Amino acid sequence: EVQLVESGGGLVQPGGSLRISCAASGFTFRNHWMHWVRQAPGKGLVWVSQVNSDQSSSKYADSVKGRFTISRDNVKNTLFLQMNSLTVEDTARYFCARFHMGALDYWGQGALVTVSS
Amino acid sequence: YELTQPPSVSVSPGQTASITCSGNNLSDRYAAWYQQKPGQSPILIIYQDNKRPSGIPERFSGSNSGNTATLTISGTQVIDEADYYCQAWDISVFGGGTRLTVL
Repeated sequence: EVQLVESGGGLVQPGGSLRISCAASGFTFRNHWMHWVRQAPGKGLVWVSQVNSDQSSSKYADSVKGRFTISRDNVKNTLFLQMNSLTVEDTARYFCARFHMGALDYWGQGALVTVSS
Repeated sequence: YELTQPPSVSVSPGQTASITCSGNNLSDRYAAWYQQKPGQSPILIIYQDNKRPSGIPERFSGSNSGNTATLTISGTQVIDEADYYCQAWDISVFGGGTRLTVL
């Protein structure tokens, strides 16, 4: 059974940093591109970042470019999102998702990140 | 690039619901659709325009032509009440979402 389990969310002050993780199991993690998608409270889905299978290529939404870094550990089957210079606009639930056949076919339960003073 | 969805769609139980997703030459790209119920993670219900993942009921179908992709729910059930999001597979953008109300 494919499972994606996020962790590391929490409360952080504006300007602070946080790293969230996504532990993958039930599939060959190293074969799949992975994505982060976020959802602010009461709002829609917003794509954040993606990384290819071997981490040789990554892409970011303009709103997080230069502040967020996506990475992965294909030995530990874990996806990461390092978030720096956080603002209140970054408050959201962050989902990791597996990319397969042109879509995001499995999603985690999300990690809640709250940026507030 | 933007994908535009109607904010809300209402349908009576047993009837057919159609949710549209508009984008410039969207048919040049594969479209996917996700269902999200309150407090839950999104679920993929349509990929590559019209394919259903295992476990997704046959009443869900998709099409993509010209500038518009359409999600169709035939014989809509109360359990289908949810938010629905479209996505173009090679462009990392989601539509704004459509709240489907079944009443």
